[in-house]
Amino acid sequence: SYVLTQPSPVSVAPGQTARITCGGDNIGSKAVHWYQQKPGQAPVVVVSDDSDRPSGIPERFSGSNSGSTATLTISRVEVGDEGDYYCQVWDDNTDHWVFGGGTKLTVL
Amino acid sequence: QVQLVESGGGVVQPGRSLRLSCAASGFSFSTYGMHWVRQAPGKGLEWVAVMWSDGANKYYADSVKGRFVISRDNSKNTLFLQMNSLRAEDTGIYFCARESPVTEGGSDVFDMWGQGTMVTVSS
Repeated sequence: SYVLTQPSPVSVAPGQTARITCGGDNIGSKAVHWYQQKPGQAPVVVVSDDSDRPSGIPERFSGSNSGSTATLTISRVEVGDEGDYYCQVWDDNTDHWVFGGGTKLTVL
Repeated sequence: QVQLVESGGGVVQPGRSLRLSCAASGFSFSTYGMHWVRQAPGKGLEWVAVMWSDGANKYYADSVKGRFVISRDNSKNTLFLQMNSLRAEDTGIYFCARESPVTEGGSDVFDMWGQGTMVTVSS
């Protein structure tokens, strides 16, 4: 089965840039989606199809995807951006959806 | 009001069964693929199962295949998850989610989620 690997917790100071990676075998050939989950809440998609931003998501959120790594970039990080971030792809070999293990973002 | 509301969670002994429901409102339920996603306490998201809008296809995570059954009643705008032979590792919050693009021409993502229902498998 397809595996997505996300790093350990990420910490940044307010106003700085946070980068959260998602590794997978030839992930660059897949559409990667990113979700933000705050404590006690359901996830919310913040980036779809590698780099598209749904309506209502700040321009500070962006994404890229190439080779074996997809990256979610959050510019000018705010305290309100704290939470867990998950990458997701659809594995067309199995018709299964796959989530990465999640990365906790802390804003110092 | 556009929303998904899960119910049916609770405490159950290992080996027993439980049936979850997800009531949809405010949108045309029958035209969307629907998923179950779970989250063990303090852990990440795990996709569980999907059922296409017409009910023709269902797919399951390997961890639940053969034990869980996803179904839907489009006349009642409701998604179900029948969970059999429950194990301790099935403990967690179970979310239902709608599959739809969030940008024009984009791929499907999980664009709407319920608040989740807690399932605890323990003797």
